[in-house]
Amino acid sequence: GAGVSQTPSNKVTEKGKYVELRCDPISGHTALYWYRQSLGQGPEFLIYFQGTGAADDSGLPNDRFFAVRPEGSVSTLKIQRTERGDSAVYLCASSSGTSGRSRNEQFFGPGTRLTVL
Amino acid sequence: GESVGLHLPTLSVQEGDNSIINCAYSNSASDYFIWYKQESGKGPQFIIDIRSNMDKRQGQRVTVLLNKTVKHLSLQIAATQPGDSAVYFCAENIVGRLAFGKGNQVVVIP
Repeated sequence: GAGVSQTPSNKVTEKGKYVELRCDPISGHTALYWYRQSLGQGPEFLIYFQGTGAADDSGLPNDRFFAVRPEGSVSTLKIQRTERGDSAVYLCASSSGTSGRSRNEQFFGPGTRLTVL
Repeated sequence: GESVGLHLPTLSVQEGDNSIINCAYSNSASDYFIWYKQESGKGPQFIIDIRSNMDKRQGQRVTVLLNKTVKHLSLQIAATQPGDSAVYFCAENIVGRLAFGKGNQVVVIP
């Protein structure tokens, strides 16, 4: 079956521009997560959705970052006024579980590589 | 593309030998731990998980050991194969979100 998909796979933008990154989770998965991975580092949590609502957005680095999931399926991560330090791979994951359950396997997409020039 | 494994601790292992990768975690309240494998240009792939009420769990060619006393996890890969070459991350589940440790790159020598 189809896994988590993310588009675009690569995005190059200029400093100060606005970007949107899209995630299509596995069908039926209620939980969706965004992570950011810098070169040589492990993924870093950004935000978690349960259904349409952001259950935990404590990982968003500042108010330039925002994410939505209006219909409880596809999610879009939005970054305003991009900075060179935003360059990273943005990973999306989905799971069928809910926060707090011990076993909550997250399935990751291939990521979007964002480069801010 | 760029290597996820750049500047990471690297374990070089002969094909057919066993590999052991270690990880220290930070939160004594974590109740669930996972090992992920990440190949270059791909997202992390689930390998095996373990709950905090266990100290050992076995899968196909992989074993995870958990020592809660010293907050240490290890992943053992039996009969390492070329396809096992990747970066390996441990992650702890903290209220639904995953906190990843620093990765370890495994290079399998044919």
